[in-house]
Amino acid sequence: EAGVAQSPRYKIIEKRQSVAFWCNPISGHATLYWYQQILGQGPKLLIQFQNNGVVDDSQLPKDRFSAERLKGVDSTLKIQPAKLEDSAVYLCASSLDSTYGYTFGSGTRLTVV
Amino acid sequence: GESVGLHLPTLSVQEGDNSIINCAYSNSASDYFIWYKQESGKGPQFIIDIRSNMDKRQGQRVTVLLNKTVKHLSLQIAATQPGDSAVYFCAAPTAGNMLTFGGGTRLMVKP
Repeated sequence: EAGVAQSPRYKIIEKRQSVAFWCNPISGHATLYWYQQILGQGPKLLIQFQNNGVVDDSQLPKDRFSAERLKGVDSTLKIQPAKLEDSAVYLCASSLDSTYGYTFGSGTRLTVV
Repeated sequence: GESVGLHLPTLSVQEGDNSIINCAYSNSASDYFIWYKQESGKGPQFIIDIRSNMDKRQGQRVTVLLNKTVKHLSLQIAATQPGDSAVYFCAAPTAGNMLTFGGGTRLMVKP
């Protein structure tokens, strides 16, 4: 079974620039999550999708972050404009249904300078 | 909501010894807990889980203990190996199947 694919692996941008991350979940997984993991901390949930609908985005800073999951498969997370404090690893995870059997991707490490 | 936290940010053990990583949680209604292992440059990987109707669950070289009275759980790794070096997180779900993670404990295995 292929895992959760994320790209790019690394990204360095200047503050106020925009950036986008891509996630391809495990085939057939209806639920997709984006987490932010700041260095030295545990992952923090940003948004949860069920198929192509948003289940919860209460932790997503909507003034600068946006996410979509067109057709209920791949997902993109965008930051515009980026701030220094957005430097983190952005993890995507998927699960077959609304259970806790998450599989995480390797993440995208974002550095904002 | 739920909050989970680990007791120690770093744990150093000798290869072959047993490791114990602790975690406390706040919501007494929590009924499910998960331990994840995160190696450098990788996403968290599921290790073992436990439901609140159990006190103990064993896997291969790992055991999770749950003490609901004091809202504490622990991960025990037997015969710790260099490959066990990683950051370990406990996690518990909040409403809507969203996992809340603790801050993590970095396990370092000395040869």
